[in-house]
Amino acid sequence: AQSVTQLDSHVSVSEGTPVLLRCNYSSSYSPSLFWYVQHPNKGLQLLLKYTSAATLVKGINGFEAEFKKSETSFHLTKPSAHMSDAAEYFCVVSESNFGNEKLTFGTGTRLTIIP
Amino acid sequence: DTEVTQTPKHLVMGMTNKKSLKCEQHMGHRAMYWYKQKAKKPPELMFVYSYEKLSINESVPSRFSPECPNSSLLNLHLHALQPEDSALYLCASSPSPPVQPSYEQYFGPGTRLTVT
Repeated sequence: AQSVTQLDSHVSVSEGTPVLLRCNYSSSYSPSLFWYVQHPNKGLQLLLKYTSAATLVKGINGFEAEFKKSETSFHLTKPSAHMSDAAEYFCVVSESNFGNEKLTFGTGTRLTIIP
Repeated sequence: DTEVTQTPKHLVMGMTNKKSLKCEQHMGHRAMYWYKQKAKKPPELMFVYSYEKLSINESVPSRFSPECPNSSLLNLHLHALQPEDSALYLCASSPSPPVQPSYEQYFGPGTRLTVT
């Protein structure tokens, strides 16, 4: 069975400082991993994905994540936070089970940006 | 076009009403999904359609009835809902079903449902 743990429910950073959102996963198969962002009262937008290619994945809006199999981690980072980054972030693991595709969501991390 | 659209944006309904939510995508995706999201929680999967056939029902109460009329459209019919069904209902699509690699899901903006 697959699972995702987002280690922080809330992260606050000052504008212009680095962002680190932590995610650990558990998966029986070779996982695909995603980070999604959700702004208030909006749907989810894909930031980036890992699907067993390069372990360092670059996404939109300056975000990137590194897949570390030995640590079962997929942490999300950004060098310099912007006010528009304030949102809820979900780490997601997916397993293709021969025709049935299911996503398992973490509980989310709320990112607050301090002006 | 990489967009999933959902209508209506907001819906208020009484417990005896019948209403429908609509989802549409024109990306040629063959898998479509309904999720329910309560405030400050992650989305919870309700239904999965693969090639217009229902492939996953996550033990959803029968007052929620999904329908996939064609490969671009997904409906969720609502009847006799309870106040605890108030939530954001999200639709998603993906090129699935893949075997490997896994494809991401594209989400619509959601319908905010309030049951009074």
